[in-house]
Amino acid sequence: KAGVTQTPRYLIKTRGQQVTLSCSPISGHRSVSWYQQTPGQGLQFLFEYFSETQRNKGNFPGRFSGRQFSNSRSEMNVSTLELGDSALYLCASSFSGLSSDKNIQYFGAGTRLSVL
Amino acid sequence: QQQVKQSPQSLIVQKGGISIINCAYENTAFDYFPWYQQFPGKGPALLIAIRPDVSEKKEGRFTISFNKSAKQFSLHIMDSQPGDSATYFCAASPVETSGSRLTFGEGTQLTVNP
Repeated sequence: KAGVTQTPRYLIKTRGQQVTLSCSPISGHRSVSWYQQTPGQGLQFLFEYFSETQRNKGNFPGRFSGRQFSNSRSEMNVSTLELGDSALYLCASSFSGLSSDKNIQYFGAGTRLSVL
Repeated sequence: QQQVKQSPQSLIVQKGGISIINCAYENTAFDYFPWYQQFPGKGPALLIAIRPDVSEKKEGRFTISFNKSAKQFSLHIMDSQPGDSATYFCAASPVETSGSRLTFGEGTQLTVNP
């Protein structure tokens, strides 16, 4: 069974640009969550999508947005990039998204975004 | 409060020793407490998880101890091996009906010397 696939693995952008990251969940998983990982702030929850609907949202500005397609694939978009957006962006998928031993969240390897 | 506090920030143990990482939380709505292991260049991977209705859970060399009244939980790695060298994150999540939203601790960089 293929794992969670994130593309691209690395991205370099300049301030003011926008970027779109992609996440393909494990087959059969309907929940996709996004996290930002930085040395200073650690792992922070961005948002979660389930059946094409945003179900949970973290405390990030509106420049961060996402969507989910009917095949459960998800994209995350960051507009008007700032230097502080440099981070590893992780995607996690699970069957239902509900936290329990029966519904493990599997993480992808992430997309490393550098904003210059 | 949504924070989860984790300590220590870094830990060095000898092969065969016991590694102990501690976490504390404030939000009583948290109902699920997983531990994740992350190797460089990889995403976090679930190690073991616990619910508040049990005080301890063991899987192989990994044990979670949970103290509901103190709102603390810890990970014990017995017989630590060099291959255990990684970053460990504790996390917490609200009850099942709230969907997926993990709040992570700051992480502990574990180094196991041979």
